[in-house]
Amino acid sequence: EAGVAQSPRYKIIEKRQSVAFWCNPISGHATLYWYQQILGQGPKLLIQFQNNGVVDDSQLPKDRFSAERLKGVDSTLKIQPAKLEDSAVYLCASSLEEIGGAYEQYFGPGTRLTVT
Amino acid sequence: SQQGEEDPQALSIQEGENATMNCSYKTSINNLQWYRQNSGRGLVHLILIRSNEREKHSGRLRVTLDTSKKSSSLLITASRAADTASYFCATDAWESGGYQKVTFGTGTKLQVIP
Repeated sequence: EAGVAQSPRYKIIEKRQSVAFWCNPISGHATLYWYQQILGQGPKLLIQFQNNGVVDDSQLPKDRFSAERLKGVDSTLKIQPAKLEDSAVYLCASSLEEIGGAYEQYFGPGTRLTVT
Repeated sequence: SQQGEEDPQALSIQEGENATMNCSYKTSINNLQWYRQNSGRGLVHLILIRSNEREKHSGRLRVTLDTSKKSSSLLITASRAADTASYFCATDAWESGGYQKVTFGTGTKLQVIP
């Protein structure tokens, strides 16, 4: 099966500019996640979607970050305006929905963002 | 915030040796998972252990879970150069909104020297 696709792979922008990332999850996966991974740290969850609804965005800096999941499939994450501290790898992951159970997440290759 | 703290932060061993890394967490969990991340890549799922399990094996991997101590360990036996990567534990816990929240630890960077 095809994996999680992300684009672009790399992006360099100046501070205060805007940027958008795209993710296409594995077909049939109901849950989609966006993570921010700063160099040397573990992934930090930004937002979690169940189908096209948001279940957790408690760590999303909503003054500058936004995300949507179109028709419960593809998703975009936007930063506007970007700050230097947003330099990181943005990872998208998806998983099957399993009520009361456990599941593994499948990760895309990530987008490396550098803000100068 | 990151629930899991991995120990050690970095580990360097010779090929053929065993590698052990530990994860400690703070709150009650439903499951614990281990992931591997090669440099510049996304994470790959290795193994999942449920809160009512104490030990699990998968190939050269052995995971233990001690919920009383809120800790887990990942043992890689007979390590290979290809095992060089960062390893993360991730805890699943039920949230009040009725969904499972996954929180990743800080990671252990493993280097296996040929």
